Amino acid sequence: QLQLQESGPGLVKPSETLSLTCTVSGGSISSSSYYWGWIRQPPGKGLEWIGSIYYSGSTYYNPSLKSRVTISVDTSKNQFSLKLSSVTAADTAVYYCARRYDYCTGGVCYIWSFDYWGQGTLVTVSS
Amino acid sequence: DIVMTQTPLSLSVTPGQPASISCKSSQSLLHSDGKTYLYWYLQKPGQSPQLLIYEVSSRFSGVPDRFSGSGSGTDFTLKISRVEAEDVGVYYCMQGIHLLPMYTFGQGTKLEIK
Repeated sequence: QLQLQESGPGLVKPSETLSLTCTVSGGSISSSSYYWGWIRQPPGKGLEWIGSIYYSGSTYYNPSLKSRVTISVDTSKNQFSLKLSSVTAADTAVYYCARRYDYCTGGVCYIWSFDYWGQGTLVTVSS
Repeated sequence: DIVMTQTPLSLSVTPGQPASISCKSSQSLLHSDGKTYLYWYLQKPGQSPQLLIYEVSSRFSGVPDRFSGSGSGTDFTLKISRVEAEDVGVYYCMQGIHLLPMYTFGQGTKLEIK
């Protein structure tokens, strides 16, 4: 059973960099069928996709956050990470990591976007 | 940028009654490969979101058949044929028009039980 677990500081000061890691267990992060993503949810609000990464290191970012976001992967540790710079109170949110699975069977392929999610971690931006 | 608009933002349903949520996109989600990458998620209280429907109308593994998705182009609908107490939470649609992993969520629809 695949499991994703977010980790990192729960409190970050304004203007500093938020850093989170997602550890994948029960499966390899290096599968060619998977993409890995970060999604966030401010308290009481909806979901916002932050960005995604492939095991090769190819990255895809939300245009609204692109200038501040860096996502990286460490296949040796089966982890991928998020860095968000110059944070403000507006970046306070629960941050989730999740998997996209490009599932192929019988010559037909399906995209299961975000079929597995971590439990989420709350990051508060405050001095 | 593609904007996803859900209606209603909240609904209260008697158990056993049907429910319907609409999701409209600001542009067609039909991909050049002939598929439409529209997803539905349910976030139960205090939990992470869970995938219900992928590619407009396919139920994900373990999802009860009372959930169904339909639509095309820019208009999509999630229907629950008979609402149960365990269906409470917030429902989100999400588009993935690009085969690349880039997404936009709707603002969410909160389902409550009467």
